[in-house]
Parts: sequence; structure tokens; C-alpha cells
Amino acid sequence: AQSVTQLGSHVSVSEGALVLLRCNYSSSVPPYLFWYVQYPNQGLQLLLKYTSAATLVKGINDFEAEFKKSETSFHLTKPSAHMSDAAEYFCAVSGRSSGSARQLTFGSGTQLTVLP
Amino acid sequence: EPEVTQTPSHQVTQMGQEVILHCVPISNHLYFYWYRQILGQKVEFLVSFYNNEISEKSEIFDDQFSVERPDGSNFTLKIRSTKLEDSAMYFCASSAGLAGAQGQFFGPGTRLTVL
Repeated sequence: AQSVTQLGSHVSVSEGALVLLRCNYSSSVPPYLFWYVQYPNQGLQLLLKYTSAATLVKGINDFEAEFKKSETSFHLTKPSAHMSDAAEYFCAVSGRSSGSARQLTFGSGTQLTVLP
Repeated sequence: EPEVTQTPSHQVTQMGQEVILHCVPISNHLYFYWYRQILGQKVEFLVSFYNNEISEKSEIFDDQFSVERPDGSNFTLKIRSTKLEDSAMYFCASSAGLAGAQGQFFGPGTRLTVL
């Protein structure tokens, strides 16, 4: 079974500073990995996904994530935070085999606060 | 841009009552899902649906829950006899292919409050 761990339930950064949100996964084979963002009172929006092509994945709003098999990590970064990035971010994993590929397993989420 | 829609946005019900949550997935998608998020907890998988039948379900999805695709556009989640612990945000999602290949697209959610 797959699982993800998000280190840090709350992260605060200053506007213009680097954003780094951490995600580590556990899986017997390299999984598919995703980052979702949830703005207040809204649903989950897909930011980016890793499906075994390039290990550095670019998503919307200048976010990117790098898949590192040796570290079992898929950390989310953005070079310069904007106030509008304040939201909750979820890392999620999906298996590759036919039996497990159909569900996402989510991390606990990281609340990002951007300080002026 | 196509999106998943859900109604109602907020449902309040008495314990023991039946509720039906409605979802309209993205029109060309073939896989449909329900997830829930109890306040302060993780988003949890409930069930996936493909080709008019359940593909997978979690331990949460017991006999009190059922899903249906009554027509070509709607996808519903029914809770037969609600319990206090069913209070949560329920998210519908859809994908064009298996979750790994395409990613799943989520609706805005229905907040269910059981009194």
C-alpha cells in the first residue's frame, strides 16, 4: 500500500521568498505522485503530477516538484511566493498496478501562509 | 474549462435520515470517485466507479453507502441512514483514464452536517 507524509502542517514564508513544501512517499514500486491545492471554501485543484517521465515536473502558477527516488521524496517548490499562494497543499500518491491505480492516498496537508 | 460540479454545497440532516449527494463529472471522463474529509483530518478515498460498477471501495464505504450513475451525466452518493460521524466534506472527482495517468479532477465539495 502507498502512503505519503507531509512534513510540517503549517509553513509561513514572506512574500517573494522561496516556498518549499515537503512530501515523502512510501511505495514498493515508484508510484504516481501529485500535488493539489485547496483555497478556502473551494475544491482540490491539481497543481502538478509525476508519472515517470521527467523527474522535474512543472505545474501551474510557477510551482514545480522534483521526484527523487533515492530520497523517496516529491517536494513542492516555488521560487517566489505571492500572497495569492496562501492555501492548503496536499501531496497524494497513486499506485501503478490495475488494482491500486484508481484511488489517491493523500497526505495530511500543509497550510501555507504568506506574510507581507 | 470543464469542471466537476457538486450540489448542494451544504446539506444539513438529522441522524438516521437518508441523504443523496449529487455530482456532475467532466463530460468525457470515464472514472468517477468519491472522497471525504472530516474536519481537521486527511482526505480519504471512499469509492471508485467505472463502466457502471464499483471498481474499488475503502473500508469506510460500508452498506450504508451506495453510488449510482442514473443517467449519462450525474453521479450520486447515497448515505442510507446518516450517523453523526458522517459529518464531513464530500468531494466528487473524475478522470479520463486511470488516476495515475491523468490525475483526478475534483469538485468543490458538499459539506454534510449530521445533527
